[in-house]
Amino acid sequence: DQQVKQNSPSLSVQEGRISILNCDYTNSMFDYFLWYKKYPAEGPTFLISISSIKDKNEDGRFTVFLNKSAKHLSLHIVPSQPGDSAVYFCAAPGLSGNTPLVFGKGTRLSVIA
Amino acid sequence: DSGVTQTPKHLITATGQRVTLRCSPRSGDLSVYWYQQSLDQGLQFLIQYYNGEERAKGNILERFSAQQFPDLHSELNLSSLELGDSALYFCASSVQPGEGETQYFGPGTRLLVL
Repeated sequence: DQQVKQNSPSLSVQEGRISILNCDYTNSMFDYFLWYKKYPAEGPTFLISISSIKDKNEDGRFTVFLNKSAKHLSLHIVPSQPGDSAVYFCAAPGLSGNTPLVFGKGTRLSVIA
Repeated sequence: DSGVTQTPKHLITATGQRVTLRCSPRSGDLSVYWYQQSLDQGLQFLIQYYNGEERAKGNILERFSAQQFPDLHSELNLSSLELGDSALYFCASSVQPGEGETQYFGPGTRLLVL
């Protein structure tokens, strides 16, 4: 059972435009979410997080929005840059006690110059 | 640079063999996590250690084992290797072991089993 889902395996966006990456979750007990970014041949890098007491968290060009009623979060990148091309993973703390973080399968973002 | 180091970067071996992957966490981090990423798969959590003790266990095969040493570095041992074990293996570390604690990942070890 996949508790964190990223239904779009890939996304292409023009440089300068907004990139919106989506993530859905099934467990309403999740109260903290993280986004990681991964370049080829490198490990995932922590990008931004959000607590369930907030509905928005912003860090420079990156903003994460949380809609608890829809069990949905999204990562907005504005403006998108070619260097943002990477795989983005959404993650949430595991609640079953046997996994500290549960990751989605990732969305590959390509920013076209 | 996350501060987490992993060696070796690449490993090629044959089926039936045994390998050891090594991880050094960020300075000050007490918790170490191991993940496997196979082709087209997300990150699968394998196992977590905190200050030398096993803390959580995920989808880790019985052929795999890990430990964390007093200096906090960790090793992941993979034995009786099969073709399907070919994957990227990541180590991550965090200060505390709590759920949701931000984890910092190493660059990974790419294992190819022939």
